[in-house]
Amino acid sequence: GAVVSQHPSRVICKSGTSVKIECRSLDFQATTMFWYRQFPKKSLMLMATSNEGSKATYEQGVEKDKFLINHASLTLSTLTVTSAHPEDSSFYICSARDIRGSYEQYFGPGTRLTVT
Amino acid sequence: AQRVTQPEKLLSVFKGAPVELKCNYSYSGSPELFWYVQYSRQRLQLLLRHISRESIKGFTADLNKGETSFHLKKPFAQEEDSAMYYCALQAGGGATNKLIFGTGTLLAVQP
Repeated sequence: GAVVSQHPSRVICKSGTSVKIECRSLDFQATTMFWYRQFPKKSLMLMATSNEGSKATYEQGVEKDKFLINHASLTLSTLTVTSAHPEDSSFYICSARDIRGSYEQYFGPGTRLTVT
Repeated sequence: AQRVTQPEKLLSVFKGAPVELKCNYSYSGSPELFWYVQYSRQRLQLLLRHISRESIKGFTADLNKGETSFHLKKPFAQEEDSAMYYCALQAGGGATNKLIFGTGTLLAVQP
C-alpha cells in the first residue's frame, strides 16, 4: 500500500529557532500534499495544500511567512516553522495524494513539535 | 459554510452491541464523504467512502442528503473496533480538493 513517512517523529526546539519537518511519499508520486495541525483532543486543521513545483495554498488564518512550505519534488514536501514559539507546539501531520488521481489521501504518522 | 459535525466525543458500548457514530455535514455542492479511523498509536487511514457503497470491517455508512448525514454503523461491535473515528467532507473538485474533518468520536468497545 501507499506509505507516507515524516521526519522527525518528535522534535524539541527552543523559542525563536526554526524547525523543518519532512513529508515523503515512499512508493508513489504525489503532486499534492497536505499539511495539518492537530490540537489535543481536537480535530485535524488543514494548514495548507502543497503543490509540486508551485506555491502552497494556505488556509485562512495560517501565516505563510511563519509556516514555510516547499514541495520541490513529487515525493517530498517540507514544512518549516520559523521563529517558533511555545504556542506552535502541536502535532503536525501530512498527507499525500497519488499522482495517478486516486481520491484517497495517505497520511503520515505525524510529528510532535515541542517549543520550549 | 463547509462544516462537518460529530456530536459525540466519546461513544462507549459493549462488545456485540450495535454502533452508530453520527456525522452531519454542511456543504452547498454535491458532497463526497469519508470515514477515517485512527487506531491507538497508528496513523490516520481511510475506512470507507460513500461513493464506494461498500462494507469495510463490518462498517457501513449511507449518505442521506435530506438529513445531510453520513452516520457510520456496525451491527455488532468488536473490541478491535476501539479507535478514533473522523468523518470528513471533500470540498471542491480536482486534484487539490481538500478534506474538512469533524472533531472525531472516540469509540470504546468494552469486553
